[in-house]
Amino acid sequence: EPEVTQTPSHQVTQMGQEVILRCVPISNHLYFYWYRQILGQKVEFLVSFYNNEISEKSEIFDDQFSVERPDGSNFTLKIRSTKLEDSAMYFCASSTGTGPREQYFGPGTRLTVT
Amino acid sequence: GQQVMQIPQYQHVQEGEDFTTYCNSSTTLSNIQWYKQRPGGHPVFLIQLVKSGEVKKQKRLTFQFGEAKKNSSLHITATQTTDVGTYFCAGSGSARQLTFGSGTQLTVLP
Repeated sequence: EPEVTQTPSHQVTQMGQEVILRCVPISNHLYFYWYRQILGQKVEFLVSFYNNEISEKSEIFDDQFSVERPDGSNFTLKIRSTKLEDSAMYFCASSTGTGPREQYFGPGTRLTVT
Repeated sequence: GQQVMQIPQYQHVQEGEDFTTYCNSSTTLSNIQWYKQRPGGHPVFLIQLVKSGEVKKQKRLTFQFGEAKKNSSLHITATQTTDVGTYFCAGSGSARQLTFGSGTQLTVLP
């Protein structure tokens, strides 16, 4: 069964450093998403991406964040200058279709900012 | 902005007992989805409800979408230890983005 993959599984970085989180969505999916989940809390929407551009973004997704689909398979989330409060699990998800569809989540990247 | 509340936050049940979690949105939803997240895992899609008053069943799980499309519930009959996890509702309005509820963490005692 196709699945979303994410690398790395755990990233430790120092405050102020840049990090890039990588995702490979399911190959025939058209919509891609990033979510974050602070430990023990709910899943929060960051951004959606379709047709090589941002479709929607939340208030959390400020100028420190950017997304990119550098090739036909990868989808990346970059945090330019990490803060302590960026520590969280980051999930990538993908879906297909033009209407509301189930989203397939990857296993996540745990980001720890020290 | 859209807010989705979910109660209870925690629920402990004996194996075999029923379980229900409730979801309420501050705005009318175009659809609602339910996800399950096992401890240490990622959200896994369970179901999507689109129509007002819709009821869907998956084996021991029953999902309802309110008539006003602002609330939803998930009911599990005769819980099993494999039902352990956090259940999230997630709604979307006019935009595609999903707003997740705070989740209900279910513990099933053997």
